[in-house]
Amino acid sequence: AQSVTQLDSQVPVFEEAPVELRCNYSSSVSVYLFWYVQYPNQGLQLLLKYLSGSTLVESINGFEAEFNKSQTSFHLRKPSVHISDTAEYFCAVSRRDDYKLSFGAGTTVTVRA
Amino acid sequence: DAGVTQSPTHLIKTRGQHVTLRCSPISGHKSVSWYQQVLGQGPQFIFQYYEKEERGRGNFPDRFSARQFPNYSSELNVNALLLGDSALYLCASSLLPGQLNQPQHFGDGTRLSIL
Repeated sequence: AQSVTQLDSQVPVFEEAPVELRCNYSSSVSVYLFWYVQYPNQGLQLLLKYLSGSTLVESINGFEAEFNKSQTSFHLRKPSVHISDTAEYFCAVSRRDDYKLSFGAGTTVTVRA
Repeated sequence: DAGVTQSPTHLIKTRGQHVTLRCSPISGHKSVSWYQQVLGQGPQFIFQYYEKEERGRGNFPDRFSARQFPNYSSELNVNALLLGDSALYLCASSLLPGQLNQPQHFGDGTRLSIL
């Protein structure tokens, strides 16, 4: 079975400052990795994903995540956050031969002016 | 195009009752998955359906059941409700199951409260 640990439950950050959300996973088989974002009273939106190839993946709104197989990590970063980035962020993993997602407990990012 | 739609948006039930939650996938999507998100936790996989057949089930009791209709919409049923069933229930659709190059699209969920 796969499991995901998000190391920070809450991350307060000032606007235009950088942010890093940490995610570690455990699995005995190869996996796909995802970051989802959830705004208040909404469902989940896919932010970015790692399937194969380059270990650094980027989203259209400035987030990036790096897959580190040796450290079993998939940390999410943004060099400069906006107020609109205030949301809950979930790291998720899926076995490559499976379809269901296993999620971490989430990290709440609060951006202050 | 309409996204994944779920109904109702909010629901209040009492212990012992049963509930039916509904999900309409994005047009053309044939796979539907259900997740339970308890407050303060990440979503937990409940079921996946594809072409009206159950393709996978998470670690949930038999009180939870689901089905998929010929138009690919889906219902999640929960019997004998417990206080612990209070959660946001999320539906996700995708073109095909297991095709992770096609991301799952989530609805906004049904907030179920058990009194």
